[in-house]
Amino acid sequence: DAGVIQSPRHEVTEMGQEVTLRCKPISGHNSLFWYRQTMMRGLELLIYFNNNVPIDDSGMPEDRFSAKMPNASFSTLKIQPSEPRDSAVYFCASTRLAESYEQYFGPGTRLTVT
Amino acid sequence: DAKTTQPPSMDCAEGRAANLPCNHSTISGNEYVYWYRQIHSQGPQYIIHGLKNNETNEMASLIITEDRKSSTLILPHATLRDTAVYYCIVAPTSGTYKYIFGTGTRLKVLA
Repeated sequence: DAGVIQSPRHEVTEMGQEVTLRCKPISGHNSLFWYRQTMMRGLELLIYFNNNVPIDDSGMPEDRFSAKMPNASFSTLKIQPSEPRDSAVYFCASTRLAESYEQYFGPGTRLTVT
Repeated sequence: DAKTTQPPSMDCAEGRAANLPCNHSTISGNEYVYWYRQIHSQGPQYIIHGLKNNETNEMASLIITEDRKSSTLILPHATLRDTAVYYCIVAPTSGTYKYIFGTGTRLKVLA
């Protein structure tokens, strides 16, 4: 199994630009999570989906952030417009609801907004 | 806020057991204790979890006190590759799968 796949691995953009991060969960998993990690705030849950439906987006910092999961094998996290304080590592994780206690994390996308 | 408290850092000699403590005094009856670790720049990796009994797998052992207010993760023979940040998390067994990560313990295994 290829594990959780995230792209791009690194993204450098200018303030005000739109940024789209992508995630492909492990095949057969039906729950997907987006996390953000910074030195100041640590690892924070932004949003999670069960069966492609957003369940809890209380961690999404602002309206500039949006996440979608159009199907079971793909999710996006979009930031529009981006700001320097959005610079962080963004992780995606997936699991199989009610069958596994383990969240499988991807390698992360390191975002730098200048 | 995280529901757990961990020491910020620990050192351990290579080949010795590493014992990482975690306090979770407000844990609820339906919450498990999970341990993850994050090796530099990588995504967190699941280690082990438990409800009230001690658990062991190929990576580690988890000892949970009888009152469930604290636990200890044991790496029986630490290697240099075990150098990482270790996170203790409490979360329900069903309903919400929302992890709240604290600051974790930075374990450094010394040669």
